[in-house]
Amino acid sequence: GESVGLHLPTLSVQEGDNSIINCAYSNSASDYFIWYKQESGKGPQFIIDIRSNMDKRQGQRVTVLLNKTVKHLSLQIAATQPGDSAVYFCAERGSNYKLTFGKGTLLTVNP
Amino acid sequence: NAGVTQTPKFQVLKTGQSMTLQCAQDMNHEYMSWYRQDPGMGLRLIHYSVGAGITDQGEVPNGYNVSRSTTEDFPLRLLSAAPSQTSVYFCASSGGVRLGAFFGQGTRLTVV
Repeated sequence: GESVGLHLPTLSVQEGDNSIINCAYSNSASDYFIWYKQESGKGPQFIIDIRSNMDKRQGQRVTVLLNKTVKHLSLQIAATQPGDSAVYFCAERGSNYKLTFGKGTLLTVNP
Repeated sequence: NAGVTQTPKFQVLKTGQSMTLQCAQDMNHEYMSWYRQDPGMGLRLIHYSVGAGITDQGEVPNGYNVSRSTTEDFPLRLLSAAPSQTSVYFCASSGGVRLGAFFGQGTRLTVV
């Protein structure tokens, strides 16, 4: 069945370091992936997306890498800031345009 | 631009009561969906709609009804609340392939 999971439930980094959050997915038919950021008490916020015909996509301080061979997705955050502290979710789109979410990784940025 | 608006933000219900969680978007998005978020479970899809008059079930639809009479509104109804429905509920909308790209701020529901 479809499933999306995260390798690390928590990640703690120093301010200014780069962060890498990983995600594994099991549905090889998924064609679209999204990373969301969720701060405490708020709804998920879209960060960046990538289609399955791409390997890499860059945004402002964020990069998403997609490895379809091993069904792995990662989010890289450059020069991590305290405001980046949040829970990060990956999501995949499978059949019928439904999104399946991972359980999330808590990123803590230490000043 | 308000985006996706959910009301109420907080609600306490007694077992067996009914209520409707409201969701409205002002972006003319075709796709709308409802999720519930529980600790350790991530976001799970309850119901979704690909346009006015069209709805379909998600992963956990039991105990919930939806309707989509207009493009803007997508209410979620609990006909007979149960403690297992205690959760945070999120509504989302998308104008295209980014299904669920924009989320509301959530409704925290407690059923006692």
